[in-house]
Amino acid sequence: ETGVTQSPTHLIKTRGQQVTLRCSSQSGHNTVSWYQQALGQGPQFIFQYYREEENGRGNFPPRFSGLQFPNYSSELNVNALELDDSALYLCASTIGLGDGYTFGSGTRLTVV
Amino acid sequence: AQSVTQLDSQVPVFEEAPVELRCNYSSSVSVYLFWYVQYPNQGLQLLLKYLSGSTLVKGINGFEAEFNKSQTSFHLRKPSVHISDTAEYFCAVTRRGGAQKLVFGQGTRLTINP
Repeated sequence: ETGVTQSPTHLIKTRGQQVTLRCSSQSGHNTVSWYQQALGQGPQFIFQYYREEENGRGNFPPRFSGLQFPNYSSELNVNALELDDSALYLCASTIGLGDGYTFGSGTRLTVV
Repeated sequence: AQSVTQLDSQVPVFEEAPVELRCNYSSSVSVYLFWYVQYPNQGLQLLLKYLSGSTLVKGINGFEAEFNKSQTSFHLRKPSVHISDTAEYFCAVTRRGGAQKLVFGQGTRLTINP
């Protein structure tokens, strides 16, 4: 049981479109992070939310944005999709770093 | 800033043989260290973590890792591997203090041959 659920599992979009990916974290996990994992690479940090406020951002352009909701769910939005956005997007949550992050199974996004 | 280098992109071993996956990190501040495993078409599962205390950390599935501060390493070991250990393994680091972003290495693909 991972405790973190992501939807959808797979998605195909056309270049220039917009996409919303969703994540449902474990109850009490007030910190959620999103990562992008390109094929054959390690995950890259996109941004992090703590109690519905963004409190950290990686080297991603503003067209990557997010939201965190009071019910421990969150969203990753990507505008103006580019071919290089094709990747596995992972959501991770934690109640505190002593527990480590719990990852979801990811959403595989393909941009054509 | 932190960085992680996994020294081997691929490690093939025979079943029941021992294995070591190497991880070096760089950081100007104190860190926490993690190993995650990723099975095909799945997310990341935490194998073990080093936060403080004993430098030898035991995790799930018979894995262990040793934190070496002087060599800035956190190598993962298992004395006897199984076919089911075939997966991608990621070393990750984060700075101490609160919930901080994880910085991952490029991964090591462990392949177990019968």
